[in-house]
Amino acid sequence: GNSVTQMEGPVTLSEEAFLTINCTYTATGYPSLFWYVQYPGEGLQLLLKATKADDKGSNKGFEATYRKETTSFHLEKGSVQVSDSAVYFCALRYGNKLVFGAGTILRVKS
Amino acid sequence: DTAVSQTPKYLVTQMGNDKSIKCEQNLGHDTMYWYKQDSKKFLKIMFSYNNKELIINETVPNRFSPKSPDKAHLNLHINSLELGDSAVYFCASSQWSSGTGDTQYFGPGTRLTVL
Repeated sequence: GNSVTQMEGPVTLSEEAFLTINCTYTATGYPSLFWYVQYPGEGLQLLLKATKADDKGSNKGFEATYRKETTSFHLEKGSVQVSDSAVYFCALRYGNKLVFGAGTILRVKS
Repeated sequence: DTAVSQTPKYLVTQMGNDKSIKCEQNLGHDTMYWYKQDSKKFLKIMFSYNNKELIINETVPNRFSPKSPDKAHLNLHINSLELGDSAVYFCASSQWSSGTGDTQYFGPGTRLTVL
């Protein structure tokens, strides 16, 4: 079946540290891949997406590259800020269904 | 302007009651969804409607009944509420596509607490 596996959190970093949140997927065919972010007390917002192999999604300093050979879509940011503290969800889309990973809590300390 | 709105934001009720959550989108999308987020933040799709027609119906108890009066609205009615229904329910919308990765836009969520 289709599934998404994310690294467990929480991930705690100091401000300006480098961030990587790992995401791998299992899917039939070639799904679109997404990262969504959920700030405390809010709904989900799309952070970035990639629709085919080798595509790189980027937004607000975050990046992720669709790697078909390793079935991965790892999220990276070169320098995190306190305001990046949130829950990050990796997801794949097949048809009109989004399948989410379990979410990774990121805490950034000043 | 709020793109996807839900009411109420918080809902506290007793076991056995019947309650509804409303969702409206002003994005002109033709597809709407309901997701459930449990206490561990795990998100799972429940239903999806395209042009008022049910297209996704995951394994959800019959006590949950979605209703779409028009393309801009998708309401969720829950009968005989149980403790395990306590969760945050998110509505979302998108434009129907055949797998090109159109974005789903989420509402702010409704936190349901069943006592």
